[in-house]
Amino acid sequence: GDSVTQMEGPVTLSEEAFLTINCTYTATGYPSLFWYVQYPGEGLQLLLKATKADDKGSNKGFEATYRKETTSFHLEKGSVQVSDSAVYFCALSDRGNDYKLSFGAGTTVTVRA
Amino acid sequence: GAVVSQHPSRVICKSGTSVKIECRSLDFQATTMFWYRQFPKQSLMLMATSNEGSKATYEQGVEKDKFLINHASLTLSTLTVTSAHPEDSSFYICSARDQGGNSNQPQHFGDGTRLSIL
Repeated sequence: GDSVTQMEGPVTLSEEAFLTINCTYTATGYPSLFWYVQYPGEGLQLLLKATKADDKGSNKGFEATYRKETTSFHLEKGSVQVSDSAVYFCALSDRGNDYKLSFGAGTTVTVRA
Repeated sequence: GAVVSQHPSRVICKSGTSVKIECRSLDFQATTMFWYRQFPKQSLMLMATSNEGSKATYEQGVEKDKFLINHASLTLSTLTVTSAHPEDSSFYICSARDQGGNSNQPQHFGDGTRLSIL
């Protein structure tokens, strides 16, 4: 079945530091990959997505590249801000699973001023 | 675009009360909506898939008589937690998928409902 494994947190960084959150996946077909962000007390917001191999999703300075050869979709940001403090979820959806989302465990990121 | 509104945002009620949570897609039509439950510091657990005009599909281990789902229109799904007890306290989140795209469009999430049963 489908599964997503992401780097465990919590991750604490200083402002303007480089952020990487690792994400790898297992899927039977050709999944679409997503990063969602959850701010305290809120639902999830789509941060970026990629639907096929070598696609790069980007938004708000965050990037992730769909790597089929390594089954990975690592999230990166070159210079984080305090406002980036949140929980980040890697997820995939796959035709073989009726396009239901499979989530990673989430990574809590705290950025200090 | 792609806004999902979930209401109420917080409910505190006595044990034995039934609680209804609404999920609306505001600017798109959603044939399919999803209901999740999230425990503190954990990921989202899919409870059920809500299909407009037909019965919901529940994930294994989720009691369909406990968590009633109605998807009466292309923009509204409701989750009713019947005779809620303290163990039902949790953060419930809905999502909707725009039917205008293919089935692999991203899901858009509501802001969640914090349910506390005393």
